Amino acid sequence: DGGITQSPKYLFRKEGQNVTLSCEQNLNHDAMYWYRQDPGQGLRLIYYSQIVNDFQKGDIAEGYSVSREKKESFPLTVTSAQKNPTAFYLCASSMGKLTDTQYFGPGTRLTVL
Amino acid sequence: SQQGEEDPQALSIQEGENATMNCSYKTSINNLQWYRQNSGRGLVHLILIRSNEREKHSGRLRVTLDTSKKSSSLLITASRAADTASYFCATYPNMRFGAGTRLTVKP
Repeated sequence: DGGITQSPKYLFRKEGQNVTLSCEQNLNHDAMYWYRQDPGQGLRLIYYSQIVNDFQKGDIAEGYSVSREKKESFPLTVTSAQKNPTAFYLCASSMGKLTDTQYFGPGTRLTVL
Repeated sequence: SQQGEEDPQALSIQEGENATMNCSYKTSINNLQWYRQNSGRGLVHLILIRSNEREKHSGRLRVTLDTSKKSSSLLITASRAADTASYFCATYPNMRFGAGTRLTVKP
């Protein structure tokens, strides 16, 4: 099956700890994205990558870091510097251009206690 | 500033009725896309309309785009209970999403 997967579905962490969210795709897409969604709100772009070993900050990159060592994978680390990390995190991929249709994973709900 | 703002924020209709959602945005766009999200799930792409298009259809969906007013609308005809979800518009290439319209279709 082709698709985009995120794990885990639910994640709990103590305040002050870094946590890494996984995102994998087997769609052979060049571009991958991370979004954050807060209750009752739309998505906000954290980081995106259009090619391996390159990524760009989105609108709310502070307190987050990413890497893109493989085409299939785009992990997101939520650092202790992120002031309000509790949220629903969505990963997406697209063929390559920023105007292309994006395909979303099922999301990871992160709760920081 | 937030782009892709939808209205209404919530819409409740009976099965079989039509549902219309609107979206406004602030800057120039290459295209505008509509997505659907069931509660606690990822987004599913519904339809893409380019800046040089005025109307597009896909099954029971009809999308219009008015670039002079920087607005778009999504019409779902003959709604079903399974259409209950939140609907978002997003503008590209700047990837700005609105807060969404929560649609409830009562059987």
